[in-house]
Amino acid sequence: KAGVTQTPRYLIKTRGQQVTLSCSPISGHRSVSWYQQTPGQGLQFLFEYFSETQRNKGNFPGRFSGRQFSNSRSEMNVSTLELGDSALYLCASSLEGVYNSPLHFGNGTRLTVT
Amino acid sequence: DQQVKQNSPSLSVQEGRISILNCDYTNSMFDYFLWYKKYPAEGPTFLISISSIKDKNEDGRFTVFLNKSAKHLSLHIVPSQPGDSAVYFCAALDGEKLTFGTGTRLTIIP
Repeated sequence: KAGVTQTPRYLIKTRGQQVTLSCSPISGHRSVSWYQQTPGQGLQFLFEYFSETQRNKGNFPGRFSGRQFSNSRSEMNVSTLELGDSALYLCASSLEGVYNSPLHFGNGTRLTVT
Repeated sequence: DQQVKQNSPSLSVQEGRISILNCDYTNSMFDYFLWYKKYPAEGPTFLISISSIKDKNEDGRFTVFLNKSAKHLSLHIVPSQPGDSAVYFCAALDGEKLTFGTGTRLTIIP
């Protein structure tokens, strides 16, 4: 069974630009969540989607948005990039949600903003 | 405000000995706790979890202990093996929102 796939693996963008990251969950998984990992901050929850609806949201500004498609694939968009957005962005999927099944993480997209 | 804290950024343990990783939390609404392991250039992988109605859960070499009154959990790895060298994150659930600690880098010394 294929794991969670995130594309691209690496991205370099300039301040003020926008970026879209993609996540393909494990087949059959309906929950997709996104996390930002920065040194010293650990993994911070961005949002979770379930059956195309945003079910939970973390404490990030509105520049961070996402969506989920009918095939459960998810995209995350960051507009008006800032230097502080440089981080590893991780996507995770689970069958129904964390209580019922553990999260399976992708290898992440490393975003560098210059 | 860091609701889940791992106060030891790093830990070194001799191979074969016990590794104990600690985690403290402040939010009393957390009702489910998990540990994840992360190797460089890979996403975290799930290790073990515990519900707040339990105080211990064991899976092979891994045991998680939960002390609700102290808002503290710990992960014990016995015996420690070189392949256990990684960054370990504890995480806590409130609803479907998962809050992670900042991680502890465990190094197993052969």
